[in-house]
Amino acid sequence: DAKTTQPPSMDCAEGRAANLPCNHSTISGNEYVYWYRQIHSQGPQYIIHGLKNNETNEMASLIITEDRKSSTLILPHATLRDTAVYYCIVGDDLKTGANNLFFGTGTRLTVIP
Amino acid sequence: EPEVTQTPSHQVTQMGQEVILRCVPISNHLYFYWYRQILGQKVEFLVSFYNNEISEKSEIFDDQFSVERPDGSNFTLKIRSTKLEDSAMYFCASLRPGWNYEQYFGPGTRLTVT
Repeated sequence: DAKTTQPPSMDCAEGRAANLPCNHSTISGNEYVYWYRQIHSQGPQYIIHGLKNNETNEMASLIITEDRKSSTLILPHATLRDTAVYYCIVGDDLKTGANNLFFGTGTRLTVIP
Repeated sequence: EPEVTQTPSHQVTQMGQEVILRCVPISNHLYFYWYRQILGQKVEFLVSFYNNEISEKSEIFDDQFSVERPDGSNFTLKIRSTKLEDSAMYFCASLRPGWNYEQYFGPGTRLTVT
């Protein structure tokens, strides 16, 4: 079962930053936080992942709290194409497991023109 | 950019029939996965495959299901004696270890059991 809690839906104005929260209070020391998104019925798409430190790539930034019990995905300038369901997933790395992903229900982000 | 491909995009079958869903993972990837998504529900992990054997499987992946990598490129999911409740979108994914832990998902096969 998913070990994360996310709000079911959020709206964001186009061009503004979208901040998607995730609670993972039972995360263990070797577990990573992964973010994926699913646009309509397409295959999920990887966004970013992190262990302890904040991470940034060309798509988004990931802010992980010091106690690692929660995180926030930031899309700095949301566009209409970012409308999707966003999944926060806690999982093993390949050293301890096969990196299987256990999806929750995610947050449905709607970017509004 | 390399991508995972899946065929067919849509498969319709009658209850009790066997189906094989095909996937071509990215060529230098070593971990392979199947997930399914029943309409309106969450994506569910079925099985992971590494080094020519099942690495882990979920409770859903019972004796009705099997996976195979018959050659160096294809990765298949076989569902025997299909049931109505097997109707779902089936996603294949692959991963290259030692890279960035990103699973690349295919576009999915929509299976409809009538």
